[in-house]
Amino acid sequence: KQEVTQIPAALSVPEGENLVLNCSFTDSAIYNLQWFRQDPGKGLTSLLLIQSSQREQTSGRLNASLDKSSGRSTLYIAASQPGDSATYLCAVASGSARQLTFGSGTQLTVLP
Amino acid sequence: KAGVTQTPRYLIKTRGQQVTLSCSPISGHRSVSWYQQTPGQGLQFLFEYFSETQRNKGNFPGRFSGRQFSNSRSEMNVSTLELGDSALYLCASSPVDSYEQYFGPGTRLTVT
Repeated sequence: KQEVTQIPAALSVPEGENLVLNCSFTDSAIYNLQWFRQDPGKGLTSLLLIQSSQREQTSGRLNASLDKSSGRSTLYIAASQPGDSATYLCAVASGSARQLTFGSGTQLTVLP
Repeated sequence: KAGVTQTPRYLIKTRGQQVTLSCSPISGHRSVSWYQQTPGQGLQFLFEYFSETQRNKGNFPGRFSGRQFSNSRSEMNVSTLELGDSALYLCASSPVDSYEQYFGPGTRLTVT
């Protein structure tokens, strides 16, 4: 059974800092890995999707890496802004390509 | 393109009743997945539908069911509601040529 862990559970940083969020998973037989953000009381916004054959994906100030063999992914956020404050969720597709197992999230607060 | 829409946004039901939630995917998307989000269990996969067929099912009791219509709209039904069914129910759609999932705003169900 796939298990996804995210560390840290909460993170508070001053504006402008670069930061890294971590995600680990127990079963390396995955189809893909997605990073989402969730604002309070809202749905999920897709940030990046990494296919199992890829090592990283970039979108703007975000960069996500994937190391399947070690069961790890990182989300790098450059030059953080207060608008980046949200909960960031890592999700792995392993049973099937669209069946996601989620971590419990990292709650990020960027202080102005 | 319009995003994923879910109706109703909020719902209050009594134990023992049943409820039906609706999800309209992004135009052209044929895959619809449902997830339950609670503070204690986090986000958990319920089921996925593609072209009116259930392709995958999570570890939920038979009280949880769903269906998909020919226009890709999907409904999920929960019968004999329990207090523990109180949650945010999220629907996600995905195009045929990608595994990226796009989430709706969710339906907040409260069971009293």
